[in-house]
Formats: sequence, C-alpha cells, structure tokens
Amino acid sequence: GAVVSQHPSWVICKSGTSVKIECRSLDFQATTMFWYRQFPKQSLMLMATSNEGSKATYEQGVEKDKFLINHASLTLSTLTVTSAHPEDSSFYICSARTQNQRNSPLHFGNGTRLTVT
Amino acid sequence: KQEVTQIPAALSVPEGENLVLNCSFTDSAIYNLQWFRQDPGKGLTSLLLIQSSQREQTSGRLNASLDKSSGRSTLYIAASQPGDSATYLCAAFLGGATNKLIFGTGTLLAVQP
Repeated sequence: GAVVSQHPSWVICKSGTSVKIECRSLDFQATTMFWYRQFPKQSLMLMATSNEGSKATYEQGVEKDKFLINHASLTLSTLTVTSAHPEDSSFYICSARTQNQRNSPLHFGNGTRLTVT
Repeated sequence: KQEVTQIPAALSVPEGENLVLNCSFTDSAIYNLQWFRQDPGKGLTSLLLIQSSQREQTSGRLNASLDKSSGRSTLYIAASQPGDSATYLCAAFLGGATNKLIFGTGTLLAVQP
C-alpha cells in the first residue's frame, strides 16, 4: 500500500528557532502534497498545497514567509516553521495521492507534534 | 465556502452494537468523500472513499453511503469492537480548480468492552 513517511514524529524547540518537517512518499511519486495543521481536539485545517517544481499555494490566513514549503522532488516535500513561537505548537500532517488524479484517495503521514517552548 | 460537519461530536457504545456516524456538507459539488480514522496523537488512516457518482462503499464491517443531493454521508460500523475506538473524520474533496480536501469536525467514538 501507499506509504507517506513524516519526520520527525515529534520535536521540541525554543521560541525563535526554525524547525523543518519532511514528508516523503516512499513507494510512489507525488506531484502534489498537502500540509495540514491540527490543534488539540480540533479537526485538520489545510495550510497549503505543495506542488513539485513550483511555488506552494497557501490558504487564506497562513503566512507563507513563516511556513516555508519546498517540494524539490516527486517524493519529498518539506515544511519549515521559521522563527517558531509557542502558538505554532500543533500537530502537522502531510498527505499525498498515489496518482495525480482527483478521484484517488489521499494518504497521510503519521504527523509531527511540534512543541515550541 | 464548503463546510463539513459531523454529528455526534462524541459517542460511547457498548461492544457489539451497530452504530452510525453522520457527516454533512454544505456544497453538494464535491468530487468525492473520504472517511478516515485517527487514533490519539497519530496520523490518519483512510477507511473508505466514495466517488461522487457512487452511493456507497463497503469494507469489512464498515459501510459508507453518500447522498450528494442532500449533502450527507454516513459511516455505518457493524458489531463494534473496543479496537474501533478512535476519532472518525469525514472529508469532502472539492473539484474544479479548488483541489482541496475539507475535513469535518470529527466524531470521537468509544466502544466499551
């Protein structure tokens, strides 16, 4: 089955530092990956759509200069939280499709728990 | 703007009981609808995907239905087990140029042994 791997699974950082989260499609190529954020006891909110070889598309209210997304290859997208603050503490999850078709299911990574102290 | 709502927010049932989780969406122009399971602190596991042209999908003890015209989907779980305890999320995929998966608010299910 399709596997999406996310790393790290959890990270603790100090306020003001930057953190990079990796999302890899292990057994398929993904031209598009999606980044979600989930606060405690809330649902997932789409942050941005990551497109291989081009700029990411950010959702309204998401700061593109704070959440840097790079999708340099068909199997890797990275999300960098720059100058992290405690309010950035959240669960970040990436997802991808096995096929570049809208009728194919999305597969999700196991998420990254970010805690900013 | 598409909004996806799930009722109930939480549900507790005894083991063996059949149950139904509800999902409603405001814009019927969806491409497909997907049901997920999320265990505490974990990522998402895809359960069922229903295309807009389909009425239902089945996998083992799970059956999901879709009624686009009324903006509703249900997830039926037969003979529930303690291992089914998790948060269940539905997500509607918006087609066209939107290309987004919008998640519902989730239902926290607890199956008591």
